[in-house]
Amino acid sequence: DAGVIQSPRHEVTEMGQEVTLRCKPISGHNSLFWYRQTMMRGLELLIYFNNNVPIDDSGMPEDRFSAKMPNASFSTLKIQPSEPRDSAVYFCASTWEFYNSPLHFGNGTRLTVT
Amino acid sequence: KNEVEQSPQNLTAQEGEFITINCSYSVGISALHWLQQHPGGGIVSLFMLSSGKKKHGRLIATINIQEKHSSLHITASHPRDSAVYICAVGGSQGNLIFGKGTKLSVKP
Repeated sequence: DAGVIQSPRHEVTEMGQEVTLRCKPISGHNSLFWYRQTMMRGLELLIYFNNNVPIDDSGMPEDRFSAKMPNASFSTLKIQPSEPRDSAVYFCASTWEFYNSPLHFGNGTRLTVT
Repeated sequence: KNEVEQSPQNLTAQEGEFITINCSYSVGISALHWLQQHPGGGIVSLFMLSSGKKKHGRLIATINIQEKHSSLHITASHPRDSAVYICAVGGSQGNLIFGKGTKLSVKP
């Protein structure tokens, strides 16, 4: 299996622009998580889906952030408009049966907003 | 106070040394995860455990549910073990709460 695939690996954009991050989970996994990692705050959950349905989005910073999972093999995280404080590494992870299976992480997207 | 505390924050060891990283948590959990993040940034799940002890190669993870404490041990450490080790606890809401990580550097 190719693992969790994220794109792009790096994204540099100007403040105010829309940013879309993409994630393809491992085939057969039914839970998908979006995390953000910064030096100050470490890893934080943004949102997670179970069977394509958003279960907990309490970590989404504000309305500028939105996430979708239109099918079991694809999810997007969108930031509109982007701000410099959104600069971070964004990880997607997936698993089958969250309580009984380890998480598989993608390689992350490093976002820089200037 | 953070819900997941790791110690030490930074650790430097000589190749071959036995290493212990500790994790204490204050919330009820369904499982505890140990993750490894290499300098390139990728994150790998090492262990997921809810009781007792697990071993994989030179890595051993233990958890004491009553004391809300877990340890990650590395035997015969090697420079390639240099990474950030992150403890994360899984709560009833399906979320993971992460520790700040322990940066390990193993010198040859």
